[in-house]
Amino acid sequence: DIQLTQSPSFLSASVGDRVTITCRASQGISSYLAWYQQKPGKAPKLLIYTASTLQSGVPSRFSGSGSGTEFTLTISSLQPEDFATYYCQQLNSYPRTFGQGTKVEIK
Amino acid sequence: EVHLVESGGGLVKPGGSLRLSCVASGFTFSSYTMNWVRQAPGKGLEWVSLISSSSNIIYYADSLKGRFTVSRDNAKNSLYLHVNSLRAEDTAVYYCAREINDYGDYRRFDPWGQGTLVTVSS
Repeated sequence: DIQLTQSPSFLSASVGDRVTITCRASQGISSYLAWYQQKPGKAPKLLIYTASTLQSGVPSRFSGSGSGTEFTLTISSLQPEDFATYYCQQLNSYPRTFGQGTKVEIK
Repeated sequence: EVHLVESGGGLVKPGGSLRLSCVASGFTFSSYTMNWVRQAPGKGLEWVSLISSSSNIIYYADSLKGRFTVSRDNAKNSLYLHVNSLRAEDTAVYYCAREINDYGDYRRFDPWGQGTLVTVSS
């Protein structure tokens, strides 16, 4: 199975900060990586797929990059509604594994 | 609007069984692969199972094989997960999610249902 490791697991940031989350795969997954945002008590919401394609309706301050084994999710200017937990997911093979999550909290 | 609604969760004793359901609306259900994902309280997301549009391809997480069975009824726009021999560690919110796979690329899970909580406790 492909393992995904996110870093950091937790980060504290202020409104307006630029935030970067990294997701590393245990083997190459081409660009088959998606990012999700989850708020407490809610279902995950798709942000980015195929590593860098922004889902319709998602603000342009979110961006993704990478291919192979290393990927990043960047929030260019953190907004109050962005405080949440973020997960990466690989869709290169089965099982469709997820990273352990990165919780973004208010500093 | 594309929508998924899960049901069937609840409190069950260890060793018990449940059937979880997911009803789809707003899209051609029979054209899509569907997945189950679970999340234990305070934990991350764990992929559980997949079933292809015509039910000819089915996968399970290795740790769940033999206890969980996924199925679908395209005529009823419904996805199911039969969970047997339940253990305390199966306590989680269970989500269904549509898998989109445009032209073999652009793969993603969207949308997700709101989830149904399964609690395994004596």
